[in-house]
Amino acid sequence: QKEVEQDPGPLSVPEGAIVSLNCTYSNSAFQYFMWYRQYSRKGPELLMYTYSSGNKEDGRFTAQVDKSSKYISLFIRDSQPSDSATYLCACTAGGTSYGKLTFGQGTILTVHP
Amino acid sequence: GAVVSQHPSRVICKSGTSVKIECRSLDFQATTMFWYRQFPKKSLMLMATSNEGSKATYEQGVEKDKFLINHASLTLSTLTVTSAHPEDSSFYICSARDPGTSGRKGRTQYFGPGTRLLVL
Repeated sequence: QKEVEQDPGPLSVPEGAIVSLNCTYSNSAFQYFMWYRQYSRKGPELLMYTYSSGNKEDGRFTAQVDKSSKYISLFIRDSQPSDSATYLCACTAGGTSYGKLTFGQGTILTVHP
Repeated sequence: GAVVSQHPSRVICKSGTSVKIECRSLDFQATTMFWYRQFPKKSLMLMATSNEGSKATYEQGVEKDKFLINHASLTLSTLTVTSAHPEDSSFYICSARDPGTSGRKGRTQYFGPGTRLLVL
């Protein structure tokens, strides 16, 4: 079993739709949870960063973490064609393990006009 | 935000040769950098942690003699793929964290644009 599971999709939605992306993880030591966006042939770009359980909102993006169920989500409101990319969830533990990210497989998202 | 660069962006080499990839933090000093590998339509897999002034720490299953890492300064880490074979063809990405900042920004890991390696 992979430590971080993510449905690879692909996911195709019309412009303006609400997108829901999800990951599950198995390592109870994970405390920090991130969402990255990666365009084709580019390095990942940090979108959202969350510590422990809870919600965080940044513009059209909302990240949720439920540590009790080991479930993390990213919601994109009013999706735009420019949101088309691969979205990767990532987790890391604290302490000396901080920074060693474990990624999900990534979900390919296409937002069509 | 912090910027991490990689060079080259793309390299094609013959089987058996060695290839060096550079990762630089452009506007901050990074005591720790990370090297990842990504296969097409797959996730990033951490290969090793590069520590300035000391030996790199490799993840399980990664051959340290195959993938040589040197973190010679606070702004530069290099990954050398030795005696490259076609199965080493992949997208190699480095990342770094700016320890000089605190809070969320200090925990943010900045990724380079990646290096695409093709071994013929």
